[in-house]
Amino acid sequence: RKEVEQDPGPFNVPEGATVAFNCTYSNSASQSFFWYRQDCRKEPKLLMSVYSSGNEDGRFTAQLNRASQYISLLIRDSKLSDSATYLCVVSSSGGYNKLIFGAGTRLAVHP
Amino acid sequence: ETGVTQTPRHLVMGMTNKKSLKCEQHLGHNAMYWYKQSAKKPLELMFVYSLEERVENNSVPSRFSPECPNSSHLFLHLHTLQPEDSALYLCASSQEIGRGLGNEQFFGPGTRLTVL
Repeated sequence: RKEVEQDPGPFNVPEGATVAFNCTYSNSASQSFFWYRQDCRKEPKLLMSVYSSGNEDGRFTAQLNRASQYISLLIRDSKLSDSATYLCVVSSSGGYNKLIFGAGTRLAVHP
Repeated sequence: ETGVTQTPRHLVMGMTNKKSLKCEQHLGHNAMYWYKQSAKKPLELMFVYSLEERVENNSVPSRFSPECPNSSHLFLHLHTLQPEDSALYLCASSQEIGRGLGNEQFFGPGTRLTVL
């Protein structure tokens, strides 16, 4: 089983749609969770950290369910500029900041 | 310069060449990382440095040799690479080596390496 699993997509949605990405992780001792965004042939950029209580940043909402070892990202009112690959990232249970990356979910927003 | 910079951005080398990748962070961070991203695969952690000391070598072949002369600079020396080493090599930095929120990693633009 992969340490971090994501649906690879692609998700093809029209502008204005609401889209949700899911991610599961295998290590129950993981403590920190993030969503990164990666545009084609560019570096990953931090989109948002995921807090236990869930958090929202504008059109983006992240949720964490520790019992199910499940993380989600909801994007409302999709824009063309949201087209990218979204990476689910989990810190390892080791003593330092080792991040385990999912393979990413590709989103394509069309007019 | 701001953030994390990497040079060169593109590199083509033969299997017998020796080359080096450079990373510099302007964020005042104490931890730096090398990652490899191959096509259609997740990012793979290669090396971790904290205050110039290597704390992780993630089973990386010896043809990759990292160097961290100070907390702002990180190098990856390459020699006798194989075509399967062709990938995007990404450098990242974080405030400290510990886990937790507030210690997120920030990435440079990467070096796209092609080994012929």
